[in-house]
Amino acid sequence: TQLLEQSPQFLSIQEGENLTVYCNSSSVFSSLQWYRQEPGEGPVLLVTVVTGGEVKKLKRLTFQFGDARKDSSLHITAAQPGDTGLYLCGRGSTLGRLYFGRGTQLTVWP
Amino acid sequence: DTGVSQNPRHKITKRGQNVTFRCDPISEHNRLYWYRQTLGQGPEFLTYFQNEAQLEKSRLLSDRFSAERPKGSFSTLEIQRTEQGDSAMYLCASSATAQGGNTGELFFGEGSRLTVL
Repeated sequence: TQLLEQSPQFLSIQEGENLTVYCNSSSVFSSLQWYRQEPGEGPVLLVTVVTGGEVKKLKRLTFQFGDARKDSSLHITAAQPGDTGLYLCGRGSTLGRLYFGRGTQLTVWP
Repeated sequence: DTGVSQNPRHKITKRGQNVTFRCDPISEHNRLYWYRQTLGQGPEFLTYFQNEAQLEKSRLLSDRFSAERPKGSFSTLEIQRTEQGDSAMYLCASSATAQGGNTGELFFGEGSRLTVL
């Protein structure tokens, strides 16, 4: 059972375009993590957000945590082919478990 | 430390056989997770351990699946009487405990790919 909704499921864009992917839940997150996974590899952490309204930047990636801590977004500016991958949001808890959404498969064409 | 290690990397088996996967986490990490992933989907949570204690097991997991972490270090995931629907990538991850008991950064292994014929 996926407790998180991620959208869109697939995204195919040209190099240089901007994009936003979303992660939503009907309940409050204790914490939220974003990961990127490339084919044949395990997911790698991009960022953890904990505080409602929090915004974090990682080079061309901007992560936002909703004020109510029920949603998050990832915005990529000027996408590059190296950004291609499966973007996953993960719902953390104070008990330590982490549930993932289905992910957004991003393809950036040269 | 060389990171999270999983073996075997690939396993092909016939339906009805038992298989076992092993995960060696990063040595100082007290938490260990098992996930199952099929092509194009996010990892599905199976179970996780804090030290040697199995704190949660997914309700979607049948009784054919069992996991152990006997000494709080490496872990094994056994699937008994495999079915074709068990074919997937089995991912292991480890983490330290974050502030307030929250989920810390998970470090994943490269996975064990199971094919059931």
